[in-house]
Amino acid sequence: AQTVTQSQPEMSVQEAETVTLSCTYDTSESDYYLFWYKQPPSRQMILVIRQEAYKQQNATENRFSVNFQKAAKSFSLKISDSQLGDAAMYFCAYSPMYTGANSKLTFGKGITLSVRP
Amino acid sequence: AAGVIQSPRHLIKEKRETATLKCYPIPRHDTVYWYQQGPGQDPQFLISFYEKMQSDKGSIPDRFSAQQFSDYHSELNMSSLELGDSALYFCASKKADMNTEAFFGQGTRLTVV
Repeated sequence: AQTVTQSQPEMSVQEAETVTLSCTYDTSESDYYLFWYKQPPSRQMILVIRQEAYKQQNATENRFSVNFQKAAKSFSLKISDSQLGDAAMYFCAYSPMYTGANSKLTFGKGITLSVRP
Repeated sequence: AAGVIQSPRHLIKEKRETATLKCYPIPRHDTVYWYQQGPGQDPQFLISFYEKMQSDKGSIPDRFSAQQFSDYHSELNMSSLELGDSALYFCASKKADMNTEAFFGQGTRLTVV
């Protein structure tokens, strides 16, 4: 079974600074997907970024980027130029290959990010 | 663009009552997933459906049942409700043969009193 571990329950960052959220996972599969989801106080699940395991290049979405280390099974999220609106719970998640119906998500415990003005 | 619609958004039930949560997937999506997120917890996979058949099952209590209908909407039926069932229930949908992630609805917040 796949597991996702987020060992830091909380982090804080100064506005405009950079913060890195850590995530490790365990799987015996060679092809899979990794995600970071943001959950603000509204509790809506918002996809921040995704990474395909077969791609060596780290995914980037504007101020968000990942450091994907497949051999180490590590998947960290870097938020640059942090903004007050980035304050939320962030979940790291794993999914088997997309195609087909059995691509359920396995989530980590989440990390609460606060942004100091 | 159309999103995943969940209803109701909020629901309050008493212990031992039943509740029905509905999920309307994005048009042409054939796969639906249900997740349960307790207070301060991560979402846990409950069950999924593909083309109206159950495709995978997670930690769903025997008191819960679900199905997907011919129009692809899905319903999660919860009986003999317990206080511990109070949670946010998410539905997500996707088209199985497309290389995309599933899209989440806004969730149904169930409170059992």
